[in-house]
Amino acid sequence: NAGVMQNPRHLVRRRGQEARLRCSPMKGHSHVYWYRQLPEEGLKFMVYLQKENIIDESGMPKERFSAEFPKEGPSILRIQQVVRGDSAAYFCASTSSSYNEQFFGPGTRLTVL
Amino acid sequence: AQSVTQLGSHVSVSEGALVLLRCNYSSSVPPYLFWYVQYPNQGLQLLLKYTSAATLVKGINGFEAEFKKSETSFHLTKPSAHMSDAAEYFCAVRSGSYKLIFGSGTRLLVRP
Repeated sequence: NAGVMQNPRHLVRRRGQEARLRCSPMKGHSHVYWYRQLPEEGLKFMVYLQKENIIDESGMPKERFSAEFPKEGPSILRIQQVVRGDSAAYFCASTSSSYNEQFFGPGTRLTVL
Repeated sequence: AQSVTQLGSHVSVSEGALVLLRCNYSSSVPPYLFWYVQYPNQGLQLLLKYTSAATLVKGINGFEAEFKKSETSFHLTKPSAHMSDAAEYFCAVRSGSYKLIFGSGTRLLVRP
């Protein structure tokens, strides 16, 4: 039973480019959460999605960041016009319902040059 | 608002020694508390969780944690450290039904 999958594992972008991070939840899971881990810090909640719906985006920066979880395919976290401060590890977690244990993927490490 | 504080960003112990990683929480409601472990370049793995049942919670790999309401603490312990325990450990509290609020992490070093 495959766990939560994220790709790419490492992503390098130059300032001003776009970054697209993908997350495939565990089989049977329809709830996805994105967290960001800045260097030397803990994870910070960004957004909670169910299929085709954004439930809570209170942790998302208001500009340049967006997330989606379409009916088919993985969840996508999109960062437009990246800046150096976006360099971080981005983790995705999934659950079968909002109260259950969150299973985390291996993360995508974004480096902005 | 709920929060978590982890005292000590780095803890170093000898192999075979007691491991103690500290976590204090702030919560206006009965908390759900978690300890996660992160190995280099990997995601987080759940070690154990407190969900208002027994105050002493046993987890994987020989770890356990005790919920102490009077001290607002949820410290993680292991009687005897192993080299494979070297990793980063995160304490977290659940806010509402799903949002996890993490501490800043403690990196455990195990000396041979």
